[in-house]
Amino acid sequence: AQSVTQLGSHVSVSEGALVLLRCNYSSSVPPYLFWYVQYPNQGLQLLLKYTTGATLVKGINGFEAEFKKSETSFHLTKPSAHMSDAAEYFCAVRGTNAGKSTFGDGTTLTVKP
Amino acid sequence: DTGVSQDPRHKITKRGQNVTFRCDPISEHNRLYWYRQTLGQGPEFLTYFQNEAQLEKSRLLSDRFSAERPKGSFSTLEIQRTEQGDSAMYLCASRGGGPLHFGNGTRLTVT
Repeated sequence: AQSVTQLGSHVSVSEGALVLLRCNYSSSVPPYLFWYVQYPNQGLQLLLKYTTGATLVKGINGFEAEFKKSETSFHLTKPSAHMSDAAEYFCAVRGTNAGKSTFGDGTTLTVKP
Repeated sequence: DTGVSQDPRHKITKRGQNVTFRCDPISEHNRLYWYRQTLGQGPEFLTYFQNEAQLEKSRLLSDRFSAERPKGSFSTLEIQRTEQGDSAMYLCASRGGGPLHFGNGTRLTVT
């Protein structure tokens, strides 16, 4: 069984401020973890992924996330928010032997000028 | 890599009608997935195929829903006797050994 909890359905930051979106997962096997971004009326685009190896992973658009097994977390960060980062963000988990990915309910990021 | 393509982008139908959606995955991807997304929710898994074999189907999926991938390439998702609760975005995704690649979805509105 696998599940994802995203803490905070809405996050608002000022342009230039730190972005922190929280994700906790549950998986009965070693997980693969993903962050996706979704713009209105579009599908989901992959930001970054963790499979094995280095626990700090870097993605597109300056985002990064750190896999912390002891905390079952995979929080997404970006040092300095840009207006174009405003979107909905989804965390997902897939067990290494699973076919499907399970998604959280998403966090809407608002960036204020 | 032309991406995952879904058709139509929008579909409005009356309650009780049948609808069919099509998904064309990235050509070298052998796995194809269908998800449903409603407002304020994350994508909810419906079913997935490896090549032409349907390997898993969500318990939440009623018998009115059926999916096929006849030659291991494109896939169709049919909803029979649509209900207002079926209104949602239907997302198709494909993958090889890596992460999911999503299409832009089909938005279904049942009136």
